[in-house]
Amino acid sequence: AQSVTQLDSHVSVSEGTPVLLRCNYSSSYSPSLFWYVQHPNKGLQLLLKYTSAATLVKGINGFEAEFKKSETSFHLTKPSAHMSDAAEYFCVVSPGASKIIFGSGTRLSIRP
Amino acid sequence: SAVISQKPSRDICQRGTSLTIQCQVDSQVTMMFWYRQQPGQSLTLIATANQGSEATYESGFVIDKFPISRPNLTFSTLTVSNMSPEDSSIYLCSVEDLAYNEQFFGPGTRLTVL
Repeated sequence: AQSVTQLDSHVSVSEGTPVLLRCNYSSSYSPSLFWYVQHPNKGLQLLLKYTSAATLVKGINGFEAEFKKSETSFHLTKPSAHMSDAAEYFCVVSPGASKIIFGSGTRLSIRP
Repeated sequence: SAVISQKPSRDICQRGTSLTIQCQVDSQVTMMFWYRQQPGQSLTLIATANQGSEATYESGFVIDKFPISRPNLTFSTLTVSNMSPEDSSIYLCSVEDLAYNEQFFGPGTRLTVL
């Protein structure tokens, strides 16, 4: 069965410091992986996606993620946090057949 | 990318009543999906709606509680029937864009049941 685990329910960082949001997946074959962001009272926005091309994926707003098959991980990073990055982040795995599975989410807080 | 709108954006309803949520897409799509996001929780897939066939429901969701219509390739409705406070959630529709290999989400309908 396919699954995705977000290792931290809440991450708090200071503005200007690096961000790391951790995600591990379980899949019997190479899946597609995504990160979505949900700002308060707003819809879901795709940050980036991995679909078996380059393992280092660059997304919007300076975010990137690296697919590591040996570690079954797809961690999201950003070199320098901005106040506007405060939001809920979801790691998503697509095992195929058009279905996607959401992780439990990580709330990112930014301290001034 | 697909642009998706939902109506209503939010509603407050009395228990025992039903609410129908509309989802409109600006292009023809084969598959549409309905999700529920309970307060403070992640998204859970309710059902997949294909045009011309009955919706496929995920475990824990039944057609009597969440009837879905899909009359054409750009529109779908989800009805939340005989509502209780436990149905208070955000309901989102999404569509799959095969060209982009990703799903696009509507803005969601925030439902509160008193």
